[in-house]
Amino acid sequence: NAGVMQNPRHLVRRRGQEARLRCSPMKGHSHVYWYRQLPEEGLKFMVYLQKENIIDESGMPKERFSAEFPKEGPSILRIQQVVRGDSAAYFCASSPATGRGNTIYFGEGSWLTVV
Amino acid sequence: GQQLNQSPQSMFIQEGEDVSMNCTSSSIFNTWLWYKQDPGEGPVLLIALYKAGELTSNGRLTAQFGITRKDSFLNISASIPSDVGIYFCAGQLIQGAQKLVFGQGTRLTINP
Repeated sequence: NAGVMQNPRHLVRRRGQEARLRCSPMKGHSHVYWYRQLPEEGLKFMVYLQKENIIDESGMPKERFSAEFPKEGPSILRIQQVVRGDSAAYFCASSPATGRGNTIYFGEGSWLTVV
Repeated sequence: GQQLNQSPQSMFIQEGEDVSMNCTSSSIFNTWLWYKQDPGEGPVLLIALYKAGELTSNGRLTAQFGITRKDSFLNISASIPSDVGIYFCAGQLIQGAQKLVFGQGTRLTINP
């Protein structure tokens, strides 16, 4: 009974390169969320997706960041032309649906380092 | 935007002591959640609170959803070494919307 699976766990990119982070939700979960955590801070909401739809992207930076959750395959968080300030831990979470009692489960995170 | 103020930022205690931390907000939340995060790992849900005034326990952990809906506390009794980590409160503004607002975290260190 696998949990939320994220890969890669660690990623190093040079400034200007692209970073792709993947997330497979828990089995039976159709809702995916991405959060970013800077060092010594709490998690900050980025985007909420259901299959093939972006529901809420109010936390996504306006440029360079995009997310998708295709009909088949994992959710992808894509960061183009990375800068040093993008260095952070990116957490994916999933839930079976919205509604009280539908717990959100987090993955173990992807640590992005931009050099 | 919405913000949760979590305190204290860090705690240094002896093994066996009780621990208390809290979160306050200027906004009303409909759900309060408490998570623990170990280094290099994702947050793990400890307790979920859905109703104002609700008091819920999970082993040595007890959390309460404040009556005003603007605050919550977490208590850990008789701390043990594996309690070390960072504890985060998180709130949901609209029940079921699932967008979580996190506090800044409380880093717990335990001296054996």
